[in-house]
Amino acid sequence: AQTIHQWPVAEIKAVGSPLSLGCTIKGKSSPNLYWYWQATGGTLQQLFYSITVGQVESVVQLNLSASRPKDDQFILSTEKLLLSHSGFYLCAWSLEGWEQYFGPGTRLTVL
Amino acid sequence: GEQVEQRPPHLSVREGDSAIIICTYTDSATAYFSWYKQEAGAGLQLLMSVLSNVDRKEEQGLTVLLNKKDKRLSLNLTAAHPGDSAVYFCAVTHNYAQGLTFGLGTRVSVFP
Repeated sequence: AQTIHQWPVAEIKAVGSPLSLGCTIKGKSSPNLYWYWQATGGTLQQLFYSITVGQVESVVQLNLSASRPKDDQFILSTEKLLLSHSGFYLCAWSLEGWEQYFGPGTRLTVL
Repeated sequence: GEQVEQRPPHLSVREGDSAIIICTYTDSATAYFSWYKQEAGAGLQLLMSVLSNVDRKEEQGLTVLLNKKDKRLSLNLTAAHPGDSAVYFCAVTHNYAQGLTFGLGTRVSVFP
């Protein structure tokens, strides 16, 4: 069974519209959670991380926000999308070790 | 902050040959070094990782070398096969809670 699930798989949204992307971790207690953004054909840039429920640290905001409402859930959102938000959003988790494991990602296209 | 350079950006390898990807980093406090594989349209698959007290690690046709003096990390794919065609990223950090800094990636193409 897959440990990490991201939704939706893909989104096409209009500039100025709101966005909410989700990530759920199954079977892991109190994981560290991370959001990364990847421009098409580019590298990954870390956006946010969270080590516990209700606590989120920003690395690069890019006019986005993140929340961790439950131990197994990490949400990425914005009230107003920009063209520059297009790309691939990846959620990752880790436990007490250093290894980070990535989800399948969400492809976002902003038109 | 940490800067990671990765080379080459593209690598074309004959099936059965070896491929080497190199990353250099700037922060001497970097403690964790990892390599990921990304196939088209997919997430990242963790291939191998080492902590700073390890110089060499071999696993299933892959070798990771770490030279802390030169701040250089390498990945050697031995006996490449078509399934190895993908983009490979190095990723490092000095603090596991804070996330990874990635290289720009290397697109590896394995041809018969």
